[in-house]
Amino acid sequence: KQEVTQIPAALSVPEGENLVLNCSFTDSAIYNLQWFRQDPGKGLTSLLLIQSSQREQTSGRLNASLDKSSGRSTLYIAASQPGDSATYLCAVNTNAGKSTFGDGTTLTVKP
Amino acid sequence: EAQVTQNPRYLITVTGKKLTVTCSQNMNHEYMSWYRQDPGLGLRQIYYSMNVEVTDKGDVPEGYKVSRKEKRNFPLILESPSPNQTSLYFCASSLRGELYNEQFFGPGTRLTVL
Repeated sequence: KQEVTQIPAALSVPEGENLVLNCSFTDSAIYNLQWFRQDPGKGLTSLLLIQSSQREQTSGRLNASLDKSSGRSTLYIAASQPGDSATYLCAVNTNAGKSTFGDGTTLTVKP
Repeated sequence: EAQVTQNPRYLITVTGKKLTVTCSQNMNHEYMSWYRQDPGLGLRQIYYSMNVEVTDKGDVPEGYKVSRKEKRNFPLILESPSPNQTSLYFCASSLRGELYNEQFFGPGTRLTVL
């Protein structure tokens, strides 16, 4: 059974710092991996999707990498801002349609 | 506007009273899925559907039913709700090609079973 772990569980940084969030998974037979953002009491907003054949994806200040063989993905956030404060979730998806989420990293960016 | 809609957004009900949470998407997506989110347990997949008339169990299917008679709709049915089904429920959809298969989520349905 796929298990997804996100480290750290919580992170507090001053504004302007670059930071890395980690996601690890136990079964490398994945279809894709998706990073989401969730604000308190809200739904999930898709940030980046990496196909199993890709190594990284970039969108603005966000960069996600994938190392399928080692079962790891990282989300890099450059020049963090208070508006980046949220919980970040990674989801690992199989070709058969199963989705497994990590527990998330709660990020606080202090002004 | 491309979106996934869920209804109702909030529901308080009593044990044993059958209920249905609707989910609809207007993006012609083949894949749809239901999740529940609980503090300390994260998001867990309940059921998913790869296409019309095809449904499969996720990690926590007990106490739930689904159907996929039309591509755009994927209702979640609780035949006899119990308090342990109190949760925040999300519906999601995606394409299933090699690219552009990111999941889009609905706004969530907060269910309380008394």
